[in-house]
Amino acid sequence: QSVLTQPPSASGTPGQRVTISCSGSSPNIGTNDVYWYQQLPGTAPKLLIYRSNQRPSGVPDRFSGSRSGTSASLAISGLRPEDEGDYHCATWDDSLSGVVFGGGTKLTVL
Amino acid sequence: EVQLLESGGGLVQPGGSLRLSCAASGFTLSNYAMTWVRQPPGKGLEWVSAISDSGAYTYYAGSVKGRFTISRDTSKNTLYLQMNSLRDEDTAVYYCATVYCTGGWCYYPNIQQWGQGTLVTASS
Repeated sequence: QSVLTQPPSASGTPGQRVTISCSGSSPNIGTNDVYWYQQLPGTAPKLLIYRSNQRPSGVPDRFSGSRSGTSASLAISGLRPEDEGDYHCATWDDSLSGVVFGGGTKLTVL
Repeated sequence: EVQLLESGGGLVQPGGSLRLSCAASGFTLSNYAMTWVRQPPGKGLEWVSAISDSGAYTYYAGSVKGRFTISRDTSKNTLYLQMNSLRDEDTAVYYCATVYCTGGWCYYPNIQQWGQGTLVTASS
């Protein structure tokens, strides 16, 4: 049982916009920034969004993040087949004094 | 180029011990905070432990506290994870990774460079 809650799956067709949610509580998302990781099949995770809505160099602007209250979301616009993979949210939890992850969302491009 | 190479994974019986190593190249380990993250087969990511850039502070997930120990050898530029009293539920791919720090602060959920991972299987 993960501290952060994500939908187990999401899907869309090429060109569509999809959103993945990440729900938490006051000690974690309610207080701290959210980070998103993309994990393509058979590979290690890669940082996709930091500080809730910032993109590292090299990440396309099709990917965007937002945070409000105790929830956060990742939006992917202009969906591409190569976006298929797992997406994980993470943040710091002040009560646990550690990093917490969501359970991950498997994105399928139909 | 920053590279992280984990080793030391394998099959171990429940109750046994294992030490994972993470050899760093392309950067000086003593200048970075580091972390271990694991992923059970077919499941999501789980944060395990972290060590500050100074090496003075260590952090652990509740599920491993008292059983796992994170450490580093700066002369070998290598990070370690000593795992004792292993349980079935510790079975996972273990990744080592760098953590972003700036202005004297380390942001432990901001995980930058990841290794390729090493598989630990705790099973009888």
